[in-house]
This record gives sequence, structure tokens and C-alpha cells, in this order.
Amino acid sequence: NAGVTQTPKFQVLKTGQSMTLQCAQDMNHNSMYWYRQDPGMGLRLIYYSASEGTTDKGEVPNGYNVSRLNKREFSLRLESAAPSQTSVYFCASSWEGYNTEAFFGQGTRLTVV
Amino acid sequence: GENVEQHPSTLSVQEGDSAVIKCTYSDSASNYFPWYKQELGKGPQLIIDIRSNVGEKKDQRIAVTLNKTAKHFSLHITETQPEDSAVYFCAASRYNNNDMRFGAGTRLTVKP
Repeated sequence: NAGVTQTPKFQVLKTGQSMTLQCAQDMNHNSMYWYRQDPGMGLRLIYYSASEGTTDKGEVPNGYNVSRLNKREFSLRLESAAPSQTSVYFCASSWEGYNTEAFFGQGTRLTVV
Repeated sequence: GENVEQHPSTLSVQEGDSAVIKCTYSDSASNYFPWYKQELGKGPQLIIDIRSNVGEKKDQRIAVTLNKTAKHFSLHITETQPEDSAVYFCAASRYNNNDMRFGAGTRLTVKP
């Protein structure tokens, strides 16, 4: 079992460029999440998907879009990257909602210059 | 929405000593409180969690206590070891609510 797999691990973008962060889980989990982690601010929820076909905004959704492609995959898209989006991004999944253990991927370190 | 505050931001202890990390939350409806450990270059990993219907939970050297009245919960690590060195996050959420809020994290260093 790979758990939660994120690609890429590192990325450098120029301001205004777009990119998609990919996430896949092989645990048959219903819920998936995207977080960003910034120094001194913990993890902040960007978007989540409670089940296949549904997505909802989290605490900091501006500048991002998501797609729950199927039960396994949940992608995060930056349409026009800004330096403020420099961060480490984590994808996570859980069986059903946040009252069950969430499993995190290894993270994607994104730098926008 | 929920607001979780975590203290201290850094904590250094000698091997074998105990470490305590404290969190407070604002939403009285929150009922699930997990603790995550994040090692360098890795994603957070659940180490223990507690639900609002219990006041304390223990798993070997780690324990969590919850005071619902005061809206705070704490992580206790006894007999610390160098491999306990990591960043620890507390979090809080409501049942059937997918919006979990995390504390800012505590960097624990255990000196041999």
C-alpha cells in the first residue's frame, strides 16, 4: 500500500504560471483534502471533498481550484500563481470525515518567484 | 469558525524528561481532537486522538487530556527519547464537519 501519493515533490513557478498538483490514495477513502503549510501557521484547509463528485471550500480557497476526478484522485490547480502561494502543500484522505484518522501525503514544496 | 491556539511554539527537554503541549479551542461544538507528529520532510501522522465523551486517553508513553469546560486539551509525552523530536500539531473538529482546524505547531527537541 502506497497510502497517499503526491506529485510533484518540488516545483518552482514564475508568477502568473499555472500548474496542477496531483494526489492519489489507494485506501478506498471517501474524503480527501488539500492543505497548505506555512511557517508559524500550522496547516490550513484549502478545499476538501467529502465524497466522489463533491468539493467544498475550506479556510483559504482563494486562488485555487480542485477536481475530484474519481474516488482515488483529488487534484489542486493554481490558475495564475502568485508569490503568496509559496508554501508546502499536503494532500490527505480519511475514511469518512475528520472524525476518523487522516492520512497525509509527503507534501509538495512550491516556490513562486 | 473554530480557532485553535497551541503553546509553546518550541520546547526543548532532556532525554527521559516529560514534555507537555497545550491547546485551546474556541468552538464548544468541537468534539474530536487529534494530535499529529510531523518529522522532517514528511507529512503529519496521527499519534493519538480523543473524543469529547472521554477526559483522558493513554497509549504507552503518550497521553492526551481534555477539559471541555475550559476548552483545552493537552499532549503529554513521558520518558522522552531523541526520536520524539519532531513538530507536533493539535487539531479540533466537529462531528460530520470536514473543516478541521490545526494549531500552529510545537517543535519539540529532545536532547540526548
